[in-house]
Amino acid sequence: AQKVTQAQTEISVVEKEDVTLDCVYETRDTTYYLFWYKQPPSGELVFLIRRNSFDEQNEISGRYSWNFQKSTSSFNFTITASQVVDSAVYFCALSVRRSGGSNYKLTFGKGTLLTVNP
Amino acid sequence: EAGVAQSPRYKIIEKRQSVAFWCNPISGHATLYWYQQILGQGPKLLIQFQNNGVVDDSQLPKDRFSAERLKGVDSTLKIQPAKLEDSAVYLCASRMEDGPYEQYFGPGTRLTVT
Repeated sequence: AQKVTQAQTEISVVEKEDVTLDCVYETRDTTYYLFWYKQPPSGELVFLIRRNSFDEQNEISGRYSWNFQKSTSSFNFTITASQVVDSAVYFCALSVRRSGGSNYKLTFGKGTLLTVNP
Repeated sequence: EAGVAQSPRYKIIEKRQSVAFWCNPISGHATLYWYQQILGQGPKLLIQFQNNGVVDDSQLPKDRFSAERLKGVDSTLKIQPAKLEDSAVYLCASRMEDGPYEQYFGPGTRLTVT
């Protein structure tokens, strides 16, 4: 079975601080995909990034960066110089092919509520 | 390109009543998902459609929940009768086809059962 653990339930920072959101995953599949989604107060989940299990290269996009380490089954997300608009719930998710099928199932963590204070 | 549309945005009902949610996916998206998101938790898949066929409904409480996607476009999720524990946000998502790639989510319907 697949599992995603986001141990940090809530994080509060002051604007311009850097913050890292942790994500640990469990799967027996050798091929899998990891995601981060952002859920602002409006409720809609917004896709941020997808990585596959064969690509451990870290990625940077503006103030966002992601660190994927298969050795520790982690896919952490760092926001540099946080801003108030970054306040949201952030979800890490894992997608694997369903056993015996060709379809994929997405499993979410419980999310981390990030509050950036001015 | 228009996003995933859902209605209503909010609904308050009493337990044992029935309720229906509507979802209009992004045009051309063959795969449609319904998720239930209880407060403080991540979304949990209820049902997945590929066109108008069901791919996965293993976590759908079939004694009270039903869903359909006639003509492979819009979808309706129904709860009858509702229980207090059904209070949650119901999210609809879609993508072009099934696969390991990102899904596009609607704004959700927040259901409160009293």
